[in-house]
Amino acid sequence: GNSVTQMEGPVTLSEEAFLTINCTYTATGYPSLFWYVQYPGEGLQLLLKATKADDKGSNKGFEATYRKETTSFHLEKGSVQVSDSAVYFCALSSGTYKYIFGTGTRLKVLA
Amino acid sequence: GAGVSQSPSNKVTEKGKDVELRCDPISGHTALYWYRQSLGQGLEFLIYFQGNSAPDKSGLPSDRFSAERTGGSVSTLTIQRTQQEDSAVYLCASSLAGGGTDTQYFGPGTRLTVL
Repeated sequence: GNSVTQMEGPVTLSEEAFLTINCTYTATGYPSLFWYVQYPGEGLQLLLKATKADDKGSNKGFEATYRKETTSFHLEKGSVQVSDSAVYFCALSSGTYKYIFGTGTRLKVLA
Repeated sequence: GAGVSQSPSNKVTEKGKDVELRCDPISGHTALYWYRQSLGQGLEFLIYFQGNSAPDKSGLPSDRFSAERTGGSVSTLTIQRTQQEDSAVYLCASSLAGGGTDTQYFGPGTRLTVL
């Protein structure tokens, strides 16, 4: 069945460090891929998405490229800020409304 | 308009009691979803409503769980005879049309604690 695997956290970085959160998936067909972010005390919100191979989603300095050959959708940011501290979820939708979520990766950025 | 809202934000109950969780989706969104987020786990799909179609209940973990959506808007998730393993954050989301590429907008969740 479809599944999403993302790196376990927590990830602790200093401000302005480079961030990578790995996400790989297993799916039939051609899924759409998403990154959601959950800030403390808030609901999940869409960070970025990509709907076909080689697409790059980007938002707020974050980027992720849909790599079909490696079945990956790694999240990157060149310079993190304290305000990026949150839990990040990778998710896929394989052509239906059902999202499959990863277990989430907690990011803590220190000033 | 306003985002997805859920109530209550926190609910503490005793084992064996029934609870009702409410979700108000974004106005105009035809699709509504319920998920469960347990500690250290990803989000687990529970149920999906789309317009007037029969809901997809395939994610409900047992027959103690049920949900309804009245008038195509507000939804209520009911858990009967709660158990300690039901303790989790219950998240509601809505989307405009329910397609695979549709963005789902999440509410803040209801944290349920079963003592």
